[in-house]
Amino acid sequence: ETGVTQTPRHLVMGMTNKKSLKCEQHLGHNAMYWYKQSAKKPLELMFVYSLEERVENNSVPSRFSPECPNSSHLFLHLHTLQPEDSALYLCASSQDGPRLLAERNEQFFGPGTRLTVL
Amino acid sequence: RKEVEQDPGPFNVPEGATVAFNCTYSNSASQSFFWYRQDCRKEPKLLMSVYSSGNEDGRFTAQLNRASQYISLLIRDSKLSDSATYLCVVLIFKAAGNKLTFGGGTRVLVKP
Repeated sequence: ETGVTQTPRHLVMGMTNKKSLKCEQHLGHNAMYWYKQSAKKPLELMFVYSLEERVENNSVPSRFSPECPNSSHLFLHLHTLQPEDSALYLCASSQDGPRLLAERNEQFFGPGTRLTVL
Repeated sequence: RKEVEQDPGPFNVPEGATVAFNCTYSNSASQSFFWYRQDCRKEPKLLMSVYSSGNEDGRFTAQLNRASQYISLLIRDSKLSDSATYLCVVLIFKAAGNKLTFGGGTRVLVKP
């Protein structure tokens, strides 16, 4: 048990749908992350939140909209996605955000949401 | 050149044998390094951090070579349960905010 949960675990949606992915961490961490993992490609960092402030946005299309209402919860709102957005979306948390000591950047991942866009 | 590169494998390893593989990084400002393990259709989990002096955790040994800009992972006495993809992660310190980059992973298959 990693202490990071994600819901739903699987999601199938059409290109016109609006859905949200949820992540919750029970570790008392201050930083949370969204990653995209496509087949045969490295993990791609999408967003980083540190103390509920977005500190990194890696040129992610606006059809992905993150929300971090508090340090324990992170959402990824999805709308008008494309089939190429189908992937495993992983949430992670770490004690501190990327600006602080490296030792406190060790990340704990949730089980992921496997998203299929039709 | 990719920022973090790994041989995708697979490395086919007889049970009980030793296997080692590297991860190269291109940015000399890279400061922290980690090995994660990812089982098929599961999330990555931290295996070990990589310290400048090298470190060992049971059958796993991690080394850092700053001059040649690579880290390595060695697995001794391989077990069937070691079959997984091993991801290299590099943290680069930047004034605008540190950057975490994952390698594509090295797949290891331990066979009886």
